[in-house]
Amino acid sequence: NAGVTQTPKFRILKIGQSMTLQCAQDMNHNYMYWYRQDPGMGLKLIYYSVGAGITDKGEVPNGYNVSRSTTEDFPLRLELAAPSQTSVYFCASRDSSTDTQYFGPGTRLTVL
Amino acid sequence: AQSVTQLGSHVSVSEGALVLLRCNYSSSVPPYLFWYVQYPNQGLQLLLKYTSAATLVKGINGFEAEFKKSETSFHLTKPSAHMSDAAEYFCAVSDGVRSQGNLIFGKGTKLSVKP
Repeated sequence: NAGVTQTPKFRILKIGQSMTLQCAQDMNHNYMYWYRQDPGMGLKLIYYSVGAGITDKGEVPNGYNVSRSTTEDFPLRLELAAPSQTSVYFCASRDSSTDTQYFGPGTRLTVL
Repeated sequence: AQSVTQLGSHVSVSEGALVLLRCNYSSSVPPYLFWYVQYPNQGLQLLLKYTSAATLVKGINGFEAEFKKSETSFHLTKPSAHMSDAAEYFCAVSDGVRSQGNLIFGKGTKLSVKP
């Protein structure tokens, strides 16, 4: 089991560029989440999904989009990168039988 | 609405000393409570969780936490700190399936362990 994997590990973007952060899990979990982590602020929920084809906004969704075409994959799209999106992004999936979220290693994004 | 407050953004202890990291929560329904640990440049790892069973919860690496409803607290403790415990610790609250399992995190407490 690879668990939750994220690519890339690091990325630098220019203002206005777009990119997709990839997330995949091999645990057959229906629930998946995207968080951003800023220093001293904890983690904030961006978007979540309860299954393939179903997504919903979290606390800080502006500037982001998601899709969920398969159980395994949950990509996060930034359309017009802004300096405020400089952050570390974590993807997670949840085992609903134990109510435990499993986190990926993160993607460190810098927007200049 | 749910919220989590972690008292102290930085805590420093000596090796072998008691570790106490404080977490208070606010929830209008019986909460599920979690402690996660994050080592430098890594993702979060579950330490322990409370989901309405025993109020004293034991986790990995010798950590434990006690759910106290009257104090709305879920403090994390370890009797004897080890150098390898140096990390950032996050308390989180969920109302279970009512919120699709969404977690609300505290701002984190960075634990330093002095030799």
